[in-house]
Amino acid sequence: DQQVKQNSPSLSVQEGRISILNCDYTNSMFDYFLWYKKYPAEGPTFLISISSIKDKNEDGRFTVFLNKSAKHLSLHIVPSQPGDSAVYFCAASADQAGTALIFGKGTTLSVSS
Amino acid sequence: DADVTQTPRNRITKTGKRIMLECSQTKGHDRMYWYRQDPGLGLRLIYYSFDVKDINKGEISDGYSVSRQAQAKFSLSLESAIPNQTALYFCATSDPTPLNEQFFGPGTRLTVL
Repeated sequence: DQQVKQNSPSLSVQEGRISILNCDYTNSMFDYFLWYKKYPAEGPTFLISISSIKDKNEDGRFTVFLNKSAKHLSLHIVPSQPGDSAVYFCAASADQAGTALIFGKGTTLSVSS
Repeated sequence: DADVTQTPRNRITKTGKRIMLECSQTKGHDRMYWYRQDPGLGLRLIYYSFDVKDINKGEISDGYSVSRQAQAKFSLSLESAIPNQTALYFCATSDPTPLNEQFFGPGTRLTVL
């Protein structure tokens, strides 16, 4: 059973507009949530994270929102740029479990100019 | 120089062959991981190691084995490759923090004919 779900395989946005990528989870024990970005022929790179005790974390154009009651988080990119076109993975970490990150299946973002 | 390196970057092999993928890191991290990425399935954990004497199975370990030769080296072996092991393979490292931010290598594209 998937613990981290990204239900939208793809998203298309125009340059300058907002991109919103969504992620749902089932395990209330997760301590941190991370977003990774992946370009073709490269490994995933860390983008932004949020602790389970917070509801928002902002870093430049990227903001992650966490709604614990709904077990839902979202990544907002404003304004979107063509260079943001990539696969975005949502991941969760449960420190008490002592295991690796649990990843969603990813959402492919395409930003057109 | 890259912090996490993987060799080879590309490999084509035949069914039944033994193959080894190697990962080296200069980040000084104790924790190392092997993932595979398949289209539409995201990143799935194969094996992970929290130190040189520690090896743990991940979600999809069947058909794979690993060796942690040193803190900096973690290799993945396919004892008898089969076509459904055709995928992108990523090595990652991390420090033992609650956030568990992982740093990924560039990946190995493996094709089993």
